[in-house]
Amino acid sequence: DTGVSQNPRHKITKRGQNVTFRCDPISEHNRLYWYRQTLGQGPEFLTYFQNEAQLEKSRLLSDRFSAERPKGSFSTLEIQRTEQGDSAMYLCASSLGRDTLGSTEAFFGQGTRLTVV
Amino acid sequence: AQSVTQLDSQVPVFEEAPVELRCNYSSSVSVYLFWYVQYPNQGLQLLLKYLSGSTLVKGINGFEAEFNKSQTSFHLRKPSVHISDTAEYFCAVTRLNFGNEKLTFGTGTRLTIIP
Repeated sequence: DTGVSQNPRHKITKRGQNVTFRCDPISEHNRLYWYRQTLGQGPEFLTYFQNEAQLEKSRLLSDRFSAERPKGSFSTLEIQRTEQGDSAMYLCASSLGRDTLGSTEAFFGQGTRLTVV
Repeated sequence: AQSVTQLDSQVPVFEEAPVELRCNYSSSVSVYLFWYVQYPNQGLQLLLKYLSGSTLVKGINGFEAEFNKSQTSFHLRKPSVHISDTAEYFCAVTRLNFGNEKLTFGTGTRLTIIP
């Protein structure tokens, strides 16, 4: 399978615990995005990497959230001291950015569903 | 900033009937437009996209959409739906630039096909 892979698919955690999600993008894609999707809503942008550089962060990304992409390949999203409001689907997407006119397609993984109890 | 409005949160349609899912956007700059489909507990799959050129765009699974710049709309249509089309559909935009493909999504339209 050469698509975007996310692990785990499901995570149940107690409030106050830390959780970490992993995203493996399509291998040649240099751009990686994290989105959050709550029930009944569309995905909301969280953060974006070009290679290993984190170039943009949404105001939704509070101090408890941190994302890394250390070698420009896979990425991790960590949530510290989880709260019930963090319960959501966390989606990762990747794209092959080109510095020419035109936008390329972002391919999405199947998501990690987080439930904080 | 960009915003996307999907006026219909739920659309029930009989099997083999036509359907139109509405999408309007707002942006101070030129944008690219997309429709994604999401099946239960799955990620998003691209149905079609408008980048430039012909305003009528054809996508996968028999879907098409028409870009209307004056009405800032990008409605999705299918002439005859199937049970397998039951899913959530999201309209999205991204700024026309060299930066990145960060997407702004609408709240989605749940399409339910009635046998």
